[in-house]
Amino acid sequence: GAGVSQSPRYKVAKRGQDVALRCDPISGHVSLFWYQQALGQGPEFLTYFQNEAQLDKSGLPSDRFFAERPEGSVSTLKIQRTQQEDSAVYLCASSSSAGRDTQYFGPGTRLTVL
Amino acid sequence: GDSVTQMEGPVTLSEEAFLTINCTYTATGYPSLFWYVQYPGEGLQLLLKATKADDKGSNKGFEATYRKETTSFHLEKGSVQVSDSAVYFCALSGNQGGKLIFGQGTELSVKP
Repeated sequence: GAGVSQSPRYKVAKRGQDVALRCDPISGHVSLFWYQQALGQGPEFLTYFQNEAQLDKSGLPSDRFFAERPEGSVSTLKIQRTQQEDSAVYLCASSSSAGRDTQYFGPGTRLTVL
Repeated sequence: GDSVTQMEGPVTLSEEAFLTINCTYTATGYPSLFWYVQYPGEGLQLLLKATKADDKGSNKGFEATYRKETTSFHLEKGSVQVSDSAVYFCALSGNQGGKLIFGQGTELSVKP
């Protein structure tokens, strides 16, 4: 595709529900990143994949957060037993190589937990 | 750990005014530095970047110079337009696999 796409764009969940957020990176991009952006703040790193390998998950806030990229392209961020503090915009970004290459961001998924 | 600090907003300017948004960083080694912009209703877009000391990144009339001695990467534009109204994020990528560390963002509003 022309850019990074994410779905759904908006998600409302009741506290305690599980949610799954999808990211389609730019075709052929090796690296994929997930970030969490709270209202009025800058994005914060969650996790990083190089192809299908999850090389860094140091930013995941709890064991309720899980990410996968099984075939090295599409990625899913799953949040189990959602809490109100999980409400944020979840951003996905991809880059063409490993390291400090330019990251291209998707439009984000706005998650609201009631 | 690595961090980025930006001047707080919102910043309100008249069209054709000079813009400076301050950004300073803390990092080990030699990070790459970036400015990203988020226009209303849109996703984050790369505005400019610099990968080593004294490099100047530039795009769309915006400039920023990587100053290692002052650990700064201030964003400047000589004459802003209403269409520049957006939130601007300074970010760095250090020695940790390419992940970006962002500042808190600075909202710019340009009035006609």
